[in-house]
Amino acid sequence: DAKTTQPPSMDCAEGRAANLPCNHSTISGNEYVYWYRQIHSQGPQYIIHGLKNNETNEMASLIITEDRKSSTLILPHATLRDTAVYYCIVSQDTGNQFYFGTGTSLTVIP
Amino acid sequence: GAVVSQHPSWVICKSGTSVKIECRSLDFQATTMFWYRQFPKQSLMLMATSNEGSKATYEQGVEKDKFLINHASLTLSTLTVTSAHPEDSSFYICSAWDSRSGNTIYFGEGSWLTVV
Repeated sequence: DAKTTQPPSMDCAEGRAANLPCNHSTISGNEYVYWYRQIHSQGPQYIIHGLKNNETNEMASLIITEDRKSSTLILPHATLRDTAVYYCIVSQDTGNQFYFGTGTSLTVIP
Repeated sequence: GAVVSQHPSWVICKSGTSVKIECRSLDFQATTMFWYRQFPKQSLMLMATSNEGSKATYEQGVEKDKFLINHASLTLSTLTVTSAHPEDSSFYICSAWDSRSGNTIYFGEGSWLTVV
């Protein structure tokens, strides 16, 4: 079963930062936080993942709270192409399954 | 990032027939692959874990005799939907771990199955 809860939907103005929260209060010490997004009728796309430190890549930033019970995915300058369902997943590394929750449907508004 | 490819992208089959979907890791070896199904407006549901050279592990409620999984090589897993019925119509997605790139799972493009 999924170990994460996310708001079902969010809107964001184009060009502004999109901040997507995720709660994972039962996360274990060896579990990573992964973020993926799915655009309609496509397979999920990897965005970023982290264990306890904040992470940044060319797509997004991941902020994990000190107690690791929640995290926030930040898209710094949202574009219309960022409209998608965003999934937050916690899992141990290599070899373990991903169980998806319901995700957050992000709509970027012109 | 790593590439996982599925084939076919979409398929239509008659009720009662079987259909095979392939999942390939194109630039890395995957000892473990995963199969999901997704109904419209719903999240991805894990069906099974495909292990190279051994039997697949199925999630509770997934019929192993209906959804046959074969992982005969380090780059190929196949899902065969046997005796398909209209309720099997769905979006099927595979994924694989790529341990080279910091322990990340990559997903295929998905395969649409319509059973008529």
